[in-house]
Amino acid sequence: EAQVTQNPRYLITVTGKKLTVTCSQNMNHEYMSWYRQDPGLGLRQIYYSMNVEVTDKGDVPEGYKVSRKEKRNFPLILESPSPNQTSLYFCASSVRLAGAWGSEQFFGPGTRLTVL
Amino acid sequence: SQQGEEDPQALSIQEGENATMNCSYKTSINNLQWYRQNSGRGLVHLILIRSNEREKHSGRLRVTLDTSKKSSSLLITASRAADTASYFCATGHGGSQGNLIFGKGTKLSVKP
Repeated sequence: EAQVTQNPRYLITVTGKKLTVTCSQNMNHEYMSWYRQDPGLGLRQIYYSMNVEVTDKGDVPEGYKVSRKEKRNFPLILESPSPNQTSLYFCASSVRLAGAWGSEQFFGPGTRLTVL
Repeated sequence: SQQGEEDPQALSIQEGENATMNCSYKTSINNLQWYRQNSGRGLVHLILIRSNEREKHSGRLRVTLDTSKKSSSLLITASRAADTASYFCATGHGGSQGNLIFGKGTKLSVKP
C-alpha cells in the first residue's frame, strides 16, 4: 500500500531533550516536506527536500533540522525542543515539487508532540 | 507566507444540503489544490485544478477557478455526515516558490 509513515505518533518530552521524528514513504517520491499545524495558524512548512542531499528551509525552520540521506526517509530533528514547538507535525511527499508541477501531496498520519 | 484564505472559517449544514467553500489568494498561481482533513489526521488530496482550467468535477465535488478574481470555490453536493472535516485550499506557484502554500481551512460540520 502506498503510504507515508511517521513515528512516533504521539510524544511527550521535556525542554532540551533532543528528539527525532521519522518519516518514510514507499512511493519513490522525490519531494518530501515537513509541516506543523497549530490552531488558528493552519499548516506551515518547516523544511522540504527536492531530492537526496537537497534540503531547504520553509516558512518556520527555526529550531528544526532535517536530513535526506536516502530517498525514502526524511527525519525531522529537534536538537533542543522548547514548549513553543508543541504542535501537530505532518510529513508529506509527492512525485515532484507540488506547487510548481501540480503534484498531489501524500500526507502521513501526523505526530502530536508536547514539550513540557 | 500564507496565500490561500478560505471562507467561511466554519460552516454547519444539514445532510443532503450543498456546501460551498471559497478560497482567495494574492499572487498568480499555476495550480490550486483542495485537501480534506478529518479531525487530527493527515490531509487527503481531493482535487487539483490548473490555472488554465475553469472547472473540474470529481464525484460529488465541483471546483471552480477564477484567475481574474484570484479565487476558487469547492462545492460538495448532497453532503453526508461523513463529509464532516476541515477543507484546505493550497496554491501552487512556479519557479523558486514551488511549494504548496496552504490556507487555514474551513471547518465543515454536516448534521445528520
